[in-house]
Amino acid sequence: KQEVTQIPAALSVPEGENLVLNCSFTDSAIYNLQWFRQDPGKGLTSLLLIQSSQREQTSGRLNASLDKSSGRSTLYIAASQPGDSATYLCALLYNFNKFYFGSGTKLNVKP
Amino acid sequence: DTAVSQTPKYLVTQMGNDKSIKCEQNLGHDTMYWYKQDSKKFLKIMFSYNNKELIINETVPNRFSPKSPDKAHLNLHINSLELGDSAVYFCASSLTAMTGARDYGYTFGSGTRLTVV
Repeated sequence: KQEVTQIPAALSVPEGENLVLNCSFTDSAIYNLQWFRQDPGKGLTSLLLIQSSQREQTSGRLNASLDKSSGRSTLYIAASQPGDSATYLCALLYNFNKFYFGSGTKLNVKP
Repeated sequence: DTAVSQTPKYLVTQMGNDKSIKCEQNLGHDTMYWYKQDSKKFLKIMFSYNNKELIINETVPNRFSPKSPDKAHLNLHINSLELGDSAVYFCASSLTAMTGARDYGYTFGSGTRLTVV
């Protein structure tokens, strides 16, 4: 059974800092991994999608890496801004087309 | 243009009532899903339809019944609502059941916050 863990559960940083969010999973037989952002009262916005054959993906200030052998993914946010404050969820496509989600990291970027 | 839209956004109802949540996607996707996000923020899949055909039916109470009149719509009907049904319900879609989800991932709606009192 796939289990997805995100550490830390919450993170507060001053504006401008670079930060790393972690996601670990127990079964490496995944098809892809997707990082989402969830804002209060809103849906999930897809940030980055990494295929199982890829090692990383970049979009603007965001960089996501995937290491299937160790069961880890990281989301790196450069030069954080208050607008980055949200909950970040990682999700794995595993076992047909079901996504398994972590419980998220709640990020607060202080001005 | 909203890609995946859910209605209503908020729903407060009494125990024992029957309610429906509607979902529509204008992306031309073949596959749609319902996920439930509990109080601990975990999202878990409930159902998935591919071209109006049920393909995933997780272990959820029989009180929950999805209906897909066409591939652009997937509604969720809940009978005899209970306090434990309070959660945020997310609709999502992917291009196809497997390769679309694998290659392009999911697109989620904004969620429906259901509160049962």
